[in-house]
Amino acid sequence: GQQVMQIPQYQHVQEGEDFTTYCNSSTTLSNIQWYKQRPGGHPVFLIQLVKSGEVKKQKRLTFQFGEAKKNSSLHITATQTTDVGTYFCAYDGGSQGNLIFGKGTKLSVKP
Amino acid sequence: DTAVSQTPKYLVTQMGNDKSIKCEQNLGHDTMYWYKQDSKKFLKIMFSYNNKELIINETVPNRFSPKSPDKAHLNLHINSLELGDSAVYFCASSQVPHGPAFFGQGTRLTVV
Repeated sequence: GQQVMQIPQYQHVQEGEDFTTYCNSSTTLSNIQWYKQRPGGHPVFLIQLVKSGEVKKQKRLTFQFGEAKKNSSLHITATQTTDVGTYFCAYDGGSQGNLIFGKGTKLSVKP
Repeated sequence: DTAVSQTPKYLVTQMGNDKSIKCEQNLGHDTMYWYKQDSKKFLKIMFSYNNKELIINETVPNRFSPKSPDKAHLNLHINSLELGDSAVYFCASSQVPHGPAFFGQGTRLTVV
């Protein structure tokens, strides 16, 4: 079956430092989505990547989808305390309507 | 108006009880999901419904049963609750299967 690993599981940074989380798949993905969940909150959709090599930006966030559509990354430039939370990638699990989430990367930011 | 709403927000109950969690979406989406988030924050899909038809049912105990009276609602019934059922349960919806999902606020279930 499809295996997607999300790394790292935890990341502690000083405010102002950059942060990156990765999702790596053993098979080609049709698309990949990224979500953010604040502490005590619910997952919130950030973006969907569909095309090979796609790069999208949202302010300080940069999302990439690898050329082989097996890898994706979320990069945050100059983190702020408001970036604290858990970031999840999500992908089509292969069965109709099956949206699978990675295990998440928990980001903490020290002011 | 809340796009995806689920009730109750908190639920504390004793082992062996039967409980329900309600979910409603006003987005006109065709697909709805139930996820379980454990203490390690892993989001595990439990069910997904597309146009009222169950299209995937992960390996969850048959004590859990989804009920969809119409496209806008997907309720979760749980029989004979066990301690291990304690978790946060999220309802979500998407316009198309495995499209961008919108989540409810979550229901924190505690079984004592």
